[in-house]
Order: sequence, then structure tokens, then C-alpha cells
Amino acid sequence: GDSVTQMEGPVTLSEEAFLTINCTYTATGYPSLFWYVQYPGEGLQLLLKATKADDKGSNKGFEATYRKETTSFHLEKGSVQVSDSAVYFCALSWAGGFKTIFGAGTRLFVKA
Amino acid sequence: SAVISQKPSRDICQRGTSLTIQCQVDSQVTMMFWYRQQPGQSLTLIATANQGSEATYESGFVIDKFPISRPNLTFSTLTVSNMSPEDSSIYLCSVVEGGAFFGQGTRLTVV
Repeated sequence: GDSVTQMEGPVTLSEEAFLTINCTYTATGYPSLFWYVQYPGEGLQLLLKATKADDKGSNKGFEATYRKETTSFHLEKGSVQVSDSAVYFCALSWAGGFKTIFGAGTRLFVKA
Repeated sequence: SAVISQKPSRDICQRGTSLTIQCQVDSQVTMMFWYRQQPGQSLTLIATANQGSEATYESGFVIDKFPISRPNLTFSTLTVSNMSPEDSSIYLCSVVEGGAFFGQGTRLTVV
């Protein structure tokens, strides 16, 4: 069935380090891919998205490229800040407002 | 993007009681989704609510335990019935408009 697999956490980095959180997916058809962020005590926020192969989504210094050949959508940021500490969820859904399938989430800790 | 208001934001309830969670969207949407997020876990879809028809429940969730109302295109409620401590979770409503948008969630603790 359709699924999303992301790297286990927690990931602990020092401020200004480079971040990669891996995400791979299994899906029928051509889904859109997303990264969501959940800060402590808050709901989920859409961080970025890509709707077709080779699209790059970006926001707040984060970026991810939709790689159909490797069924991947890895999240990257060149220099993390303490304020980036949160849980990051990779997800997919299809056009038409159908349900969203989420990965397990990866907790990121950034220390000063 | 859609703005979703959800309430209550948190509650502590006695076992055996029920809690109704409300979700209001600032635009008309065909489908609304209810998720549960257990502590330290990802999101699990409970059901999809369409206006004018019964909700569609995912495997492991039943209408008697989680009745849902969808009286119009901007509003939905989820009731958690006959609660037990295992129901302690965050409950989130969501709509999809080019991506999923969520309310702030309801943090439920059952004691």
C-alpha cells in the first residue's frame, strides 16, 4: 500500500550545521509531496511542497526536491538554528482533496 | 490557505464521559478530515467527513466511539465517546487545499 518512510530521530545538531532528513515513499499514481513541521505544543504547519517530478519546494531556508526515480523527497537546510527544533513530517497526497499519508516524524534538536 | 479554528484547545476529562471537538473553516470545503496523534507518534486518520453524508471511518475506528457531524461546508464536530485513558491524544481536524491544513489541535487527557 501507499506509505511514507522517513529517517528515525531524534537528530541532534549544533547551530549552523547542515541538515538532511531522508524521506522515501511508495505510492500509486503521481502524488504531491510535502514536509510539515510541528513546533512544541502546536499543530502541524505546511513547510513546503512539490507537486511533480523534479520540482523543488522551498521555504524558510529549507528545501526538498521531488525525485521520482528514487521515490524520495529529502529535506535539507544549509544552516540550522535553535528555533528549527521541532518534529518534521514527510507526507503525500493526491489532487482532489484526498487524505494525506504521513511518515512517522523526525524530531530535530538544535543546540546553541 | 485555509484558516481552521478548533476548540477546545485542551481538556482533561473523566473516564466514561464524552467530549465534542469543534472545527470551523474560513472557506467552504467538500471534505474535512479528523486525525489522532498519540504522544510521540505520527498522525492517524480517524475519518473523512463529507457534508450531507455519513463519515467514512478508517480501519480501527467506529462511529459509535467517534461520531462525527458535518452540518455544512465550513463546520464539523468529532465526539470522543465513553473515554478511557487510552484516548488521551491530540485530535486534529484538517482540510486539503493544495496541501493539508490543520487546526491547532485539541490536547485531550483522560483521567
